[in-house]
Amino acid sequence: EIVLTQSPGTLSLSPGERATLSCRASQSVSSSNLAWFQQKPGQAPRLLIYDASSRATGIPDRFSGSGSGTDFTLTISRLEPEDFAVYYCQQYGSSPGTFGQGTKVEIK
Amino acid sequence: QVHLMQSGAEVKKPGSSVKVSCKASGGTFSSYAISWVRQAPGQGLEWMGGIIPIFGTTNYAQKFQGRVTITADESTSTAYMELSSLRSEDTAMYYCARHFSGSYLGYHMDVWGKGTTVTVSS
Repeated sequence: EIVLTQSPGTLSLSPGERATLSCRASQSVSSSNLAWFQQKPGQAPRLLIYDASSRATGIPDRFSGSGSGTDFTLTISRLEPEDFAVYYCQQYGSSPGTFGQGTKVEIK
Repeated sequence: QVHLMQSGAEVKKPGSSVKVSCKASGGTFSSYAISWVRQAPGQGLEWMGGIIPIFGTTNYAQKFQGRVTITADESTSTAYMELSSLRSEDTAMYYCARHFSGSYLGYHMDVWGKGTTVTVSS
C-alpha cells in the first residue's frame, strides 16, 4: 500500500500568515488522485482539495493544492482564525485509499 | 444536496459485533461508492473498506479482512458496516463517506456522515 508522510507534524503560525503543508507518497499516486481534508475537533473531515489541485465546492480560494507523482502541497495563502485545524492528505488512486498522519496548524 | 445520517453511539463488550448504519438522503444512492473510515481517539484516519451499492461489490482493507462486512440496501438508501470480534483497540469514531462517483478508486470522498462512536469495554 502507498504510505503518505505529512510534514511538519505541527505548524505554529499567526493569522494572516501563509501555511505550507507537505504530503509525500512512498510511490507515485495514480492520476494525481490526492485529496486534502480539514478536520476540527468533534467534526467530520471536510473535503478541501481533490485531484491534487481542484478546490471542492464552497472552499475559499486561499486554499490551493499542487503537486504530482510523490510530492504534494497544500497552501493556505493567508490564515483565517477558522483555519486552525488538523489537515490530512489521502490518496485514492490505489487500494487501499491511505491517509497521511495529519498536520496540525495551531495558533502561534 | 446529499446528506449522510449515521446511527447512534454504541457500547459493546469485547468479542461482540457492532453494526453501524449510514442513510443517504437528498440524492441518488446506488450509483455512488460508499466508504467507511475510522478514527481512534486522538489518532488519524483509516480507510476500512467500501461498497458500490448498484453492484453490491465490496473492497476491504487487508487489516480488516475477515472481521468487517459492508452491505447496502438500495430500497432504503442505507449502507451498513458490521465489525465483529471487537477488541478495545476498535474503540473509535466510525464515518461513512460518499465517493464522487461509482468507484472507490479514482474518485474522492466528497460527503461525510457525522460519525458514530463505538466504545468497546468490558
